[in-house]
Amino acid sequence: AQSVTQLDSHVSVSEGTPVLLRCNYSSSYSPSLFWYVQHPNKGLQLLLKYTSAATLVKGINGFEAEFKKSETSFHLTKPSAHMSDAAEYFCVVSGRANRGSTLGRLYFGRGTQLTVWP
Amino acid sequence: DTGVSQDPRHKITKRGQNVTFRCDPISEHNRLYWYRQTLGQGPEFLTYFQNEAQLEKSRLLSDRFSAERPKGSFSTLEIQRTEQGDSAMYLCASSPTSSRGIEQYFGPGTRLTVT
Repeated sequence: AQSVTQLDSHVSVSEGTPVLLRCNYSSSYSPSLFWYVQHPNKGLQLLLKYTSAATLVKGINGFEAEFKKSETSFHLTKPSAHMSDAAEYFCVVSGRANRGSTLGRLYFGRGTQLTVWP
Repeated sequence: DTGVSQDPRHKITKRGQNVTFRCDPISEHNRLYWYRQTLGQGPEFLTYFQNEAQLEKSRLLSDRFSAERPKGSFSTLEIQRTEQGDSAMYLCASSPTSSRGIEQYFGPGTRLTVT
């Protein structure tokens, strides 16, 4: 079975300081992992994805995440927070679809609300 | 490519009424997904189509819920005899058929409030 645990429900940082959003996953096979961001009243937007290639994944807006199989982690980082980064962030693991096909449902964590102080 | 669209964006209904939501996926995406998101939670999977075939349904999808994708393009999600517990954001996503790891593209959602 697949599941995701986001270790912090809220993270607050000052503008210009580093961001760390933590995620641990559980998967019965080599997973595909994603980070999505949700701004208020807007749809979910993909930040980055890991699909068994490079373990350090770079995404949009300066975010990156490192896949660590030994720790079953996929933490999201950014060197310097910006006010516009304030949003809800979701760590996501993919499941397998039925009938031998590959990508199926996504399993979302509960989300981490990022607040950025000026 | 205009993205995934959903209609309506907001729906207020009284308990016991039926509601129907529509999702238009990105053109040529043959996979379509429905999720439900309640306050303070991440989205939860409801069901998924490949073309017109409904391939997987969550246990969350009770008998009052039905989804269709009759021509493999747009999809509808109907909730019959709505209950207050159905109040949530209903999200639609689409993706192309490809190897594993391709992301799903989400629409803006339909927010349902059952009074």
